[in-house]
Amino acid sequence: SQQGEEDPQALSIQEGENATMNCSYKTSINNLQWYRQNSGRGLVHLILIRSNEREKHSGRLRVTLDTSKKSSSLLITASRAADTASYFCATDGNQGAQKLVFGQGTRLTINP
Amino acid sequence: DAGVIQSPRHEVTEMGQEVTLRCKPISGHDYLFWYRQTMMRGLELLIYFNNNVPIDDSGMPEDRFSAKMPNASFSTLKIQPSEPRDSAVYFCASSARAIREKLFFGSGTQLSVL
Repeated sequence: SQQGEEDPQALSIQEGENATMNCSYKTSINNLQWYRQNSGRGLVHLILIRSNEREKHSGRLRVTLDTSKKSSSLLITASRAADTASYFCATDGNQGAQKLVFGQGTRLTINP
Repeated sequence: DAGVIQSPRHEVTEMGQEVTLRCKPISGHDYLFWYRQTMMRGLELLIYFNNNVPIDDSGMPEDRFSAKMPNASFSTLKIQPSEPRDSAVYFCASSARAIREKLFFGSGTQLSVL
């Protein structure tokens, strides 16, 4: 089963607005990562947050992690048309599994 | 660096034919991963290598799938014989450090089996 589950599955907002995507996971983790995928392209790493961190920033991106709730959120501020893409969370799981498991993704559309 | 390079970009073949997908990881990266992406199942890890050695192939669907990494700069994923349900986008990714760290993905191979 998928380790990470993104919510919502699809999100459509106006340019300039903020976009928030959520990720829930089932087992304990060492770190959680967020990736972006533009249509027809490979995934691009955005940010990694470790289990002992609660918040991390990178440019217009803000990621939070709540290990007690087993959830993370990705906030994109002041969205742009170029942010239109699918966003995936990925978790490693520290229960002996040596795999980076991806969720199903959130499809984000920024309307001009 | 040119990034992770995959070929071909698109492959259309008939059921029963052999398909070979190729990957060149980023120089210096010692982990290589093969993923498959479909609408129904999302991104699935098929197999990964560390220093050219296969570490975990539990995600390989069945014996029709095989992967090799003869050297640090080249890997192949072979499907023989191919079936329509193998149609998907296959991604190769590489990582410079531990498996759980940042992955660099190639552009993928869109495989269509008719």
